[in-house]
Order: sequence, then C-alpha cells, then structure tokens
Amino acid sequence: AQSVTQPDIHITVSEGASLELRCNYSYGATPYLFWYVQSPGQGLQLLLKYFSGDTLVQGIKGFEAEFKRSQSSFNLRKPSVHWSDAAEYFCAVVDMYSGGGADGLTFGKGTHLIIQP
Amino acid sequence: EAQVTQNPRYLITVTGKKLTVTCSQNMNHEYMSWYRQDPGLGLRQIYYSMNVEATDKGDVPEGYKVSRKEKRNFPLILESPSPNQTSLYFCASALSGTGATEAFFGQGTRLTVV
Repeated sequence: AQSVTQPDIHITVSEGASLELRCNYSYGATPYLFWYVQSPGQGLQLLLKYFSGDTLVQGIKGFEAEFKRSQSSFNLRKPSVHWSDAAEYFCAVVDMYSGGGADGLTFGKGTHLIIQP
Repeated sequence: EAQVTQNPRYLITVTGKKLTVTCSQNMNHEYMSWYRQDPGLGLRQIYYSMNVEATDKGDVPEGYKVSRKEKRNFPLILESPSPNQTSLYFCASALSGTGATEAFFGQGTRLTVV
C-alpha cells in the first residue's frame, strides 16, 4: 500500500522568507500527487496536483511543487510567505493502479506552518 | 456555489447514543468519502462510495456505517459511539473515483463522545 511521509510536524518561518515543505511517498509506479491546505476551523483546499508531464507544477496562492521521481518526493515551495499562509499542510497520493481513486486519497500526517512576524 | 455541506459542525454526545452526520454535495459528483482527522495521524479514510448504492470500507471502518441512496447525500452513522470516535470528521466528494479529479471537502464535524 502506498504511504506518504511528511517529515516535519511543525515548521516556523518568518514572514517574507521562503518556504519548503517536504513530502515523500512510497509507491512503485507514478502516483497522482496533491497538496492540500487546511486553515484553522476550515476544510481542506486543494493547492495543486501532479498527474503527469512537467514536473514543476504551479498552484494557487503562489505555491508550487516539484515532482522528483528519483527521490520519491513532491516538495511544496513558496518564495515569500505571508502571515495568512499559517495553516496545516497535507501531502496526499492516489494509487492509480490499484483500483485508482477507489482507495481514496492517502494523506501524510501534515505539517503545521507557523509564520513569525 | 459548489460545495460539500456537513451537519452538524459540532456535536457532543454520550457513549452509545446513535448519531448521524449528514453530508451533501451539489456538484453531481459520483464519488464521496468520509475521513477522520486525529492529531499526529493525519486523515484516514473511513468509507467511500463510487456511486449510488456502491459503498466500501476504507482504512478505519470499524464502528461506522454509511449509506448512499441518493447521489448527493452520504451520511455517516455511528450506531453506538465510543470515546475513541472523538475526532474531526470530513466528508469529501469528487467527480469520479479515479483520483484524476479534485476532491472537495466539507468544513468538518467535530465530534466529542463522553
């Protein structure tokens, strides 16, 4: 079964600084990869997704992520964070070759992003 | 507005008292799913439904039931809630269950079982 690892439980970044959130997946073939954001008291919102093609994908709110097959990684980046980016971030994967989305999204445990003024 | 609506948003109940959390989507999505979110564990899938009258277990189905009689609704039923079901629950829907379409999430239901 696929698994998703987000090594950092908490990350603190100063406002205006760059951000990188790490995500590694364990899976044989090419999965569908996602990043979701959960603001306090809210549901999850899709930031971006990777299915195939260009390995650098752009998302909403100025985020981007890069798929690196050799490292089984899909790290999320933002050049300059804003205080409103403080939230919980989840990396997720769908196994396209074991019933596809019937297994649903497999989520990482999340990374809590704290923005310092 | 396209959305997934869960009710209630907050619920405190006692052990053993049956409850239902409703989920409704207005996007004509075929795929719907329930997750629970617990600190340090992320989101784990409880049940999912590929279409009307088609439901299946996710990773943590014990203690839960679901039904999908209509395309838009996917209620989560706890027949006899226990304190270990205290959690934040999310309903999600997607156009299809292939994973190739975006999943939309409700705002969550925070359940406390005492």
